[in-house]
Amino acid sequence: AQSVAQPEDQVNVAEGNPLTVKCTYSVSGNPYLFWYVQYPNRGLQFLLKYITGDNLVKGSYGFEAEFNKSQTSFHLKKPSALVSDSALYFCAVRDGAAAGNKLTFGGGTRVLVKP
Amino acid sequence: EAQVTQNPRYLITVTGKKLTVTCSQNMNHEYMSWYRQDPGLGLRQIYYSMNVEVTDKGDVPEGYKVSRKEKRNFPLILESPSPNQTSLYFCASSDPTPGLASSTDTQYFGPGTRLTVL
Repeated sequence: AQSVAQPEDQVNVAEGNPLTVKCTYSVSGNPYLFWYVQYPNRGLQFLLKYITGDNLVKGSYGFEAEFNKSQTSFHLKKPSALVSDSALYFCAVRDGAAAGNKLTFGGGTRVLVKP
Repeated sequence: EAQVTQNPRYLITVTGKKLTVTCSQNMNHEYMSWYRQDPGLGLRQIYYSMNVEVTDKGDVPEGYKVSRKEKRNFPLILESPSPNQTSLYFCASSDPTPGLASSTDTQYFGPGTRLTVL
C-alpha cells in the first residue's frame, strides 16, 4: 500500500518570503514522487518529480523539492513566493517497483501568497 | 499540441440518468486513468487502463464503468448516477513503459469535468 500525507490544509506566506509545502509518504518499493499544482478552475499541472539521482529536484516556475529517504519526505520549496503562486498543491507517490502507473495523492495544501 | 481533453467540462444531471464523460489523448500514451477530486481527500483513482482492452479497478470504482476500445479514448460511464458521485473528475495519461525512449512517469491531466448529480 502507498500513502501520502500533506499535514497543512493551508499555508499563508507574504510575497517575497520563502515558501515550503510539506509532504511525507509511505510506499513499499522505490518511491517515485511528484508535485502538481492546480490553479482555480484548471486541471493539474506537473511541477517536478523525483525518480532517482540527486535528492534536490528543480522544477517549473522556480520550485524545487528535496527527497529525504530517512524522513520519507518530499517537501516543496520556493525561495521567494509570488502572488501568482497562490494555488492548490498536491504531492503524489507511485511505487516504482510495481507495474502500472498508479499515483496516490495527498489531500492537497492551499497556498495563499499575500502582497 | 500534446493534450488530454475531456467533455463535457460541466454537467448537471439527475439521479439515475446514465451519462458518459469522454476523455481523449493525442500523445499515444498506453496508460490512462480516471480520478475524482473531493475536498480534503485529494484525488482518488477510479479506474485505470494499461492498454487497449485492458482495464482495472482503482481505489473507488463503485458506480463507474470504463472502456478502452481505442488507445486514445477512455470514457467514464455512470450507469445510474447518485448524488454521492457529485465531484470533479480528471482523466490522465502517461507512458511508463520501461526502456521506451518516450517513456514518462509523468501523468498528464485533462482540464476536469465538474459533475453535479441532483
